Amino acid sequence: GDKVKQSPSALSLQEGTNSALRCNFSIAATTVQWFLQNPRGSLINLFYLVPGTKENGRLKSAFDSKESYSTLHIRDAQLEDSGTYFCAAGSSGNKLIFGIGTLLSVKP
Amino acid sequence: GPKVLQIPSHQIIDMGQMVTLNCDPVSNHLYFYWYKQILGQQMEFLVNFYNGKVMEKSKLFKDQFSVERPDGSYFTLKIQPTALEDSAVYFCASSRDWETLYFGSGTRLTVL
Repeated sequence: GDKVKQSPSALSLQEGTNSALRCNFSIAATTVQWFLQNPRGSLINLFYLVPGTKENGRLKSAFDSKESYSTLHIRDAQLEDSGTYFCAAGSSGNKLIFGIGTLLSVKP
Repeated sequence: GPKVLQIPSHQIIDMGQMVTLNCDPVSNHLYFYWYKQILGQQMEFLVNFYNGKVMEKSKLFKDQFSVERPDGSYFTLKIQPTALEDSAVYFCASSRDWETLYFGSGTRLTVL
């Protein structure tokens, strides 16, 4: 089964609204990374997390290793936030296991 | 932020030919990775590489695949011979330590 489950699979937001994306892990994740893949295909680093929270501008992320999940909150969504958001779990060995992504569309 | 460069962005070859994908990692990074993404699907780990050696590889890293970083230059993924199912976007990544990975923008490989 999926080791990293992302939800929702797709999301449409009105510009200026807020939302949250979630990843659930069925593996013992020790770290989490969040990426945005823009329409050109480039992967942009958003967050690297050990258990805890981080905030950067309109984005905030949390990772709870005991409950095996991570969230990404987007505040005041802008058109340029559109793209596919991936979470990836780091566990044993230095490799990331990716979720299937959340396709976000922000509309004016 | 740190930049990983991948050249070219798109490569088209005939099935059975050899292809080499090039990656210019971040200059002071020591760990290198290849991931594969089939259109519309998640990224899948292929291999990681440190100190001139493959550290770990997945079942997707077939015998036809090889990686090297000769003389500290490009980190390369070679596929010989290519098969139709090798068509995908291949992402290179690098990291300074066992932490944040930085990805390139990918090379889209089309095998005809």
